[in-house]
Order: sequence, then C-alpha cells, then structure tokens
Amino acid sequence: GQQLNQSPQSMFIQEGEDVSMNCTSSSIFNTWLWYKQDPGEGPVLLIALYKAGELTSNGRLTAQFGITRKDSFLNISASIPSDVGIYFCAGRKMNYGGSQGNLIFGKGTKLSVKP
Amino acid sequence: DAGVIQSPRHEVTEMGQEVTLRCKPISGHNSLFWYRQTMMRGLELLIYFNNNVPIDDSGMPEDRFSAKMPNASFSTLKIQPSEPRDSAVYFCASVPGQGQAFFGQGTRLTVV
Repeated sequence: GQQLNQSPQSMFIQEGEDVSMNCTSSSIFNTWLWYKQDPGEGPVLLIALYKAGELTSNGRLTAQFGITRKDSFLNISASIPSDVGIYFCAGRKMNYGGSQGNLIFGKGTKLSVKP
Repeated sequence: DAGVIQSPRHEVTEMGQEVTLRCKPISGHNSLFWYRQTMMRGLELLIYFNNNVPIDDSGMPEDRFSAKMPNASFSTLKIQPSEPRDSAVYFCASVPGQGQAFFGQGTRLTVV
C-alpha cells in the first residue's frame, strides 16, 4: 500500500535548538500536511501545503512541499518545552475524476525537549 | 463550531461484545475518515467517505469491522465481535472540500 517514510522516529534535544524532520514517499501527492499530537488528544494541524515548492511558515514552524511532490520537511526553530509531542506528516492525492483521495500519515516523530 | 465530536471517549468491553463508535463531523465538510492509532502501527486509515459514500475501505482489517454514514452529520464504526487486538485509539476526521483534516479527540477502546 501507499507509505510515507517519516524521519527521524524520535528526537531528544535541548531547549533553544532547531529541529528538522521530513517525509518521503515513492508516490506523488498534491497536498502535504503537518500535524502535532499531544497526549490524549487528536492530531492538530500545524501547516498545510498545496503547491510543489511552496514554503510556508507558522510562527517558529516552517514547512516546504518538495519540488518532486514526493517529499516535505518541517523545521522548528528555537524549540521550547511545549514543542514536546508527536509530529505527523500526511499526504493526499487526487482521485481519477478529480475528487480528493485518502489521507495517508507517516508514523510520526516523537520530540522531547530538555529545558 | 464545536469541532469533530466523537463518543464515547473511552470504552472498555469484553471480548466478543459488539462495540459502536460514533462521530459527528463538522457541518459542511464533505469527507470523513476513520483512523486507528496504535504504538506499533501509528495512524492507520480504516475507511473514508466522500459525500456520505464509502470510497475506500481497503484499510478495514476484517469483516468484523463495518462503517456507515447514513447522513452528512453522523457516522458509526462498528466492531462485532470485538477482540483484544482491536484495542487502540480510534479517530474520526472530517475534511472540507480541499485540504486539511480536522480530528476528533478519539475513542480509546480497550477489549479485555
């Protein structure tokens, strides 16, 4: 089936450091999304990307939609303790006929931040 | 808007019992997804609907699982009979015409 390879699986960093994670696939997607999940909650959208090459920021977060449409990365600058959580990438294709396809998730990157 | 509403938040049941999970999507959204999350497998897509019609149910693990969306404001995921390996957090997500999925808070299912 379709797969997204997300890396790294986990990161343990010092407060103030920058963080980088990415997702790759053998398939082409027309939408890339980045989510964060806190314990006991559902994933919450951080950034949505809809065009190849698009670079979008949301505060300290920056994400890019790869030119090949097969990858995306998320950067977090100057990490703080509340950045702790699991970060997921997700990709979506268009079906034949133009309707939106299913939304596939990566396995997540677990981020731990040491004060 | 209250967001995606799932019920119950927690469910503990005995093996062999029927379990029904419920989801109320955000009004006006035309796609609805059911996911299962476990430590081992992460977020797995079970089934999704466009305009109340099931589009892809290839992720439904077995015939014991079934999902319905009788109208635009309600969907159910049923497991009958339940087994311990079905224990997981089940998420419902609704999506407007294009773009991001909005998730509910999930139902934590424990089958003993």
